[in-house]
This record gives sequence, C-alpha cells and structure tokens, in this order.
Amino acid sequence: KQEVTQIPAALSVPEGENLVLNCSFTDSAIYNLQWFRQDPGKGLTSLLLIQSSQREQTSGRLNASLDKSSGRSTLYIAASQPGDSATYLCAVGGTSYGKLTFGQGTILTVHP
Amino acid sequence: GAGVSQSPSNKVTEKGKDVELRCDPISGHTALYWYRQSLGQGLEFLIYFQGNSAPDKSGLPSDRFSAERTGGSVSTLTIQRTQQEDSAVYLCASSLLGQGATEAFFGQGTRLTVV
Repeated sequence: KQEVTQIPAALSVPEGENLVLNCSFTDSAIYNLQWFRQDPGKGLTSLLLIQSSQREQTSGRLNASLDKSSGRSTLYIAASQPGDSATYLCAVGGTSYGKLTFGQGTILTVHP
Repeated sequence: GAGVSQSPSNKVTEKGKDVELRCDPISGHTALYWYRQSLGQGLEFLIYFQGNSAPDKSGLPSDRFSAERTGGSVSTLTIQRTQQEDSAVYLCASSLLGQGATEAFFGQGTRLTVV
C-alpha cells in the first residue's frame, strides 16, 4: 500500500526566503506525482505534474523535482511571498487509471 | 464554467437524514473521483469512475455511501442516514484520463456538517 509523507508539517518563513517542501513515498512504482495548493476553505489547485519519466518541472517561481528510485520529491519555492501562504499537498499516481494517494500536507506561512 | 463545479458549497443536515452532493466535471473528462477531507486530516479516496467501466468503490467507508455517474458526466454522492462522523469536506476531481496519466482538477468542495 502506497504511503505518502510530507515534511515539515508546518513552516513559517519571512518574505523573500527560498524554501523547500519535501515529499516521500514508499512504493517507487509510480506513474506520476502532482503538487497541489489548498487555500483555507477552498478546493485544490494543481501546481505541477511530473510524469515518472521526468526529473523536474518548473512553473514560475516553483520547481518540483522527482527521484523515483529513492521515493522522493521536493517542491522549491523561490523568493516566497505572503500570497504563497497555503497548504501544499503532494499526491502520487500509482497507475495511469488509478487514484492519487495524498500526503498530509505542509502548512506554509510567509510573513510580510 | 470551465472548472469542476460542486453543489451545494455548504450543507448542514440533521443526524439520520440522507444527503446528496453533486459534481459537474470538466467537459470531456472521462475520469471522475470523490475524496473526503476531515478536519485536520489528509484526503481520503472514496470512489472513482472511468468512462463506462465499473466504478472503483474501494474507498467507500460504509454501505451508507453510494455514488453514481449519469451519462458519463454529472456525478452524485449520496450519504444515507448521516452520522456526525460524516462531517467533512467532500471534494470531486476530474481528469482527461486517470489521475495517474493526466493532471487532476478539483472542485471547491462541499462542506457537510451533521448536527
């Protein structure tokens, strides 16, 4: 059974810092990995999707890497802003037609 | 709209009543998923529909929960004889293929409160 763990559970940083969120998974036989953002009381917004054959994906200030063999992914946020404050969720797709398995999330707070 | 739409956004019901939650996926998306997010918990998979295939119901917590998807589009999640532990945010997602193959898009969720 796939298990996804996110570290840290919470992170508080001053504006402008670069930061890294970590995600690990127990079964390396994954199809893809997706990072989401969730604002309080809202649904999930997809940030980046990395296919198993890829090593990283970039979108603006966000960069996600994937090391399938070691069961790890990192989300790098450059020059953090207060608007980045949210819960960040990592999710793993085990098969092309299967469901995503989610981590518990990292609660990020960026102080002005 | 272009996104996944869920209704109602909030639902308060009395214990023992039945509730129906609705999800309108993105047009053309063949895969549809229901998840549940309890307070302070991660997302819990409930059920998955893919085209005309039999749904994957492996995540439904009890036989009080059921879901259907009509015409390969709109889905309804029904909870019978609601209990207080059913209180949670119910999220629907759709994707062009399965979630493992393509990007998954989520609705804003339905917040269910059982009193």
